[in-house]
Amino acid sequence: AQSVAQPEDQVNVAEGNPLTVKCTYSVSGNPYLFWYVQYPNRGLQFLLKYITGDNLVKGSYGFEAEFNKSQTSFHLKKPSALVSDSALYFCAVRDGAGGGADGLTFGKGTHLIIQP
Amino acid sequence: NAGVTQTPKFQVLKTGQSMTLQCAQDMNHNSMYWYRQDPGMGLRLIYYSASEGTTDKGEVPNGYNVSRLNKREFSLRLESAAPSQTSVYFCASSEHRNSYNEQFFGPGTRLTVL
Repeated sequence: AQSVAQPEDQVNVAEGNPLTVKCTYSVSGNPYLFWYVQYPNRGLQFLLKYITGDNLVKGSYGFEAEFNKSQTSFHLKKPSALVSDSALYFCAVRDGAGGGADGLTFGKGTHLIIQP
Repeated sequence: NAGVTQTPKFQVLKTGQSMTLQCAQDMNHNSMYWYRQDPGMGLRLIYYSASEGTTDKGEVPNGYNVSRLNKREFSLRLESAAPSQTSVYFCASSEHRNSYNEQFFGPGTRLTVL
């Protein structure tokens, strides 16, 4: 079985400061990891993914994420936060070994609030 | 391209009523999915269709049925709505069922069952 944990319900960051949104995962095989963002009353938008290769993945809107196999983590980061980054962020995982449903397993989400 | 579209955007039902949520994608994707989003629980997979002509259960299929009408369209039906089905429903699609393909999401349908 695959699972994702986002340990923080909410993260508060001052505008201009670096931000980190945490995610840890559990899978049987190799993990395929994704970050999505959801703005109020909107669907989810894809930010970035890790499949294989370089542990640092760059995505949309200046976001990046670092894959750490030993810590089973895939934290989302941005060097300088913007007020417009305020949204709900979801980490998701799929077991590369396959089997089971084809859908992604999502974390519960983290509210990111950027204060001016 | 419109991407993934869903209708209706909002719906209020009484317990026991039925309804069908519609989803269509114009990206020529093979795989389509239905999720529900509940506060504090993330998204949970209801049903998916890996390719035209196939459907399979996800994590929370009870009380729902689906139809992959053609490659573009994937509908979700509630035969007898219950208050526990009050939720926001998202349809998604991906190019293939491969694990590494990202999914593209529609804007959602907010359903309230009284």
